[in-house]
Amino acid sequence: KAGVTQTPRYLIKTRGQQVTLSCSPISGHRSVSWYQQTPGQGLQFLFEYFSETQRNKGNFPGRFSGRQFSNSRSEMNVSTLELGDSALYLCASSLFVAENNEQFFGPGTRLTVL
Amino acid sequence: QQQVKQSPQSLIVQKGGISIINCAYENTAFDYFPWYQQFPGKGPALLIAIRPDVSEKKEGRFTISFNKSAKQFSLHIMDSQPGDSATYFCAASKNFGNEKLTFGTGTRLTIIP
Repeated sequence: KAGVTQTPRYLIKTRGQQVTLSCSPISGHRSVSWYQQTPGQGLQFLFEYFSETQRNKGNFPGRFSGRQFSNSRSEMNVSTLELGDSALYLCASSLFVAENNEQFFGPGTRLTVL
Repeated sequence: QQQVKQSPQSLIVQKGGISIINCAYENTAFDYFPWYQQFPGKGPALLIAIRPDVSEKKEGRFTISFNKSAKQFSLHIMDSQPGDSATYFCAASKNFGNEKLTFGTGTRLTIIP
């Protein structure tokens, strides 16, 4: 069974630009969550999508947004990039509505904002 | 507000020794506690998870000990090997893992020969 895939793996952008990251969950997984990982703040929850609906949202500004498609694939968008947005963005998929619902992470997209 | 505190920040253990990483949580609504292992350039991978209705869970060389009254849980790696060198994160979630994961700050583990 293929794991969670994320594209692209690396991105370099400049301040003020916008970026879109993509995530394909494990086949059969309907929930997709996004996390930001930085050395200073660690792993922080961005948002979760299930059946094309945002189910949960973390404490990030409105510049961070996402969506989920009918095939469960998800994208996140960051507009008006700031230097502090440089991070590893991780996508995790899960079955949802399961006991001991395991979240499986992809390899991440490394975003560098110059 | 950091809801899951993890210690130590870094840990060096000799090959064959026991590695112990500790976490404490504040929110008593948490009912699912996974541990993740992350290698450089990779995403976190689930190692082992526990629910508060058991005090210990073992999978191979990895054991979680859970103290509900103290709101603490720990990861023990027995017979630590150089291949175990990685960053370990504890986490907590509500609704049996069907809610967002709240992560600890991570422990960088180095196993020396």
